[in-house]
Amino acid sequence: GNSVTQMEGPVTLSEEAFLTINCTYTATGYPSLFWYVQYPGEGLQLLLKATKADDKGSNKGFEATYRKETTSFHLEKGSVQVSDSAVYFCALDAGGTSYGKLTFGQGTILTVHP
Amino acid sequence: DGGITQSPKYLFRKEGQNVTLSCEQNLNHDAMYWYRQDPGQGLRLIYYSQIVNDFQKGDIAEGYSVSREKKESFPLTVTSAQKNPTAFYLCASSNPGLAGDTQYFGPGTRLTVL
Repeated sequence: GNSVTQMEGPVTLSEEAFLTINCTYTATGYPSLFWYVQYPGEGLQLLLKATKADDKGSNKGFEATYRKETTSFHLEKGSVQVSDSAVYFCALDAGGTSYGKLTFGQGTILTVHP
Repeated sequence: DGGITQSPKYLFRKEGQNVTLSCEQNLNHDAMYWYRQDPGQGLRLIYYSQIVNDFQKGDIAEGYSVSREKKESFPLTVTSAQKNPTAFYLCASSNPGLAGDTQYFGPGTRLTVL
């Protein structure tokens, strides 16, 4: 079956530090890949996505590249801010008969200190 | 403004009672989803509907029921058969006809069983 594995958290960084949150996946075919962000007490918001191999998704200084050879979609940001503190979820849409259904990783809590 | 609304934001229920969570969207999306989120875990799919008057079980459907009588609405009933209903419930919608189409999430309902 399909699955997503994220690096275990929580992750604690100082402001302006470099961020990497690892995400690897297992899926048949050619899934689409997503990063969602959840701020405290809220629903999820799409952060970025990539729909085919070697695509790079980017938004608000965050980037992730779809690497089919390593089945990975790691999230990076060059300089984090306190306002980036949230829970980050990696997810995939396997397509086919599963069109529209998302499989989520367990989430990574990020805390950024001033 | 287009979006997804969920109500209420907080809900308390006594053991043995059924309770219905509301989800409405004005995005004209065909598909709607219900997820459950527990602390330290990712989102797990309860039910989803790809078209009006049709819905399918997700990974953890036991103890839950849904209806999809209108395109805009997808209410979730948590029945007394659900053994551990205390959780954060998230509703989402999308148009899954295109690969990698984004799911949009509501703000969530936090259900507590007393």
